[in-house]
Amino acid sequence: AQSVAQPEDQVNVAEGNPLTVKCTYSVSGNPYLFWYVQYPNRGLQFLLKYITGDNLVKGSYGFEAEFNKSQTSFHLKKPSALVSDSALYFCAVRDQYNNNDMRFGAGTRLTVKP
Amino acid sequence: DTGVSQDPRHKITKRGQNVTFRCDPISEHNRLYWYRQTLGQGPEFLTYFQNEAQLEKSRLLSDRFSAERPKGSFSTLEIQRTEQGDSAMYLCASSLEAGGAVTEAFFGQGTRLTVV
Repeated sequence: AQSVAQPEDQVNVAEGNPLTVKCTYSVSGNPYLFWYVQYPNRGLQFLLKYITGDNLVKGSYGFEAEFNKSQTSFHLKKPSALVSDSALYFCAVRDQYNNNDMRFGAGTRLTVKP
Repeated sequence: DTGVSQDPRHKITKRGQNVTFRCDPISEHNRLYWYRQTLGQGPEFLTYFQNEAQLEKSRLLSDRFSAERPKGSFSTLEIQRTEQGDSAMYLCASSLEAGGAVTEAFFGQGTRLTVV
């Protein structure tokens, strides 16, 4: 079965600095990868996805993620963090051979300090 | 608001009572998912519908849980004989899956269940 690992519970960065939130995955077939963000008392909001094609995908709010097949990773990045980026970030994966079940990581809490 | 809506937003119930949650997906979406999220964890898949058909159920979904999606529109999730371990946020999501394309799911704000 597919699975996702987010190795960092918490990431702290200063405003204006680049940020990276890490994600690794395990699937049987080709992966379909997603990043979601969750603000307090809000539902999950879609940021970006990788299905096929270019390894670097760009999404909402200036976020991007790089798909690395050899390292089975899909790290989320942003060149310059904003205080308003502080939230809970979830990586998720669907498996080409089990396309109906999207598995989420445990989440990474990003805190951007002024 | 044309997003996914869930009702109620919060529910407090006594152990042993039955509860029912409702989800209204984005109108043209043919897939509807239910997830459960506990504090400090990512959402866990419970079940999903393709139109009105319930096609997959997680082993997390015990026989006390039942979900329906009559007419392929809104969905309900019922929990019978609630237990304290059922306390969680219940999330609904919907997506439009057609022609083999893989699309993202859009989530509602969730129903927070507290069993006392």
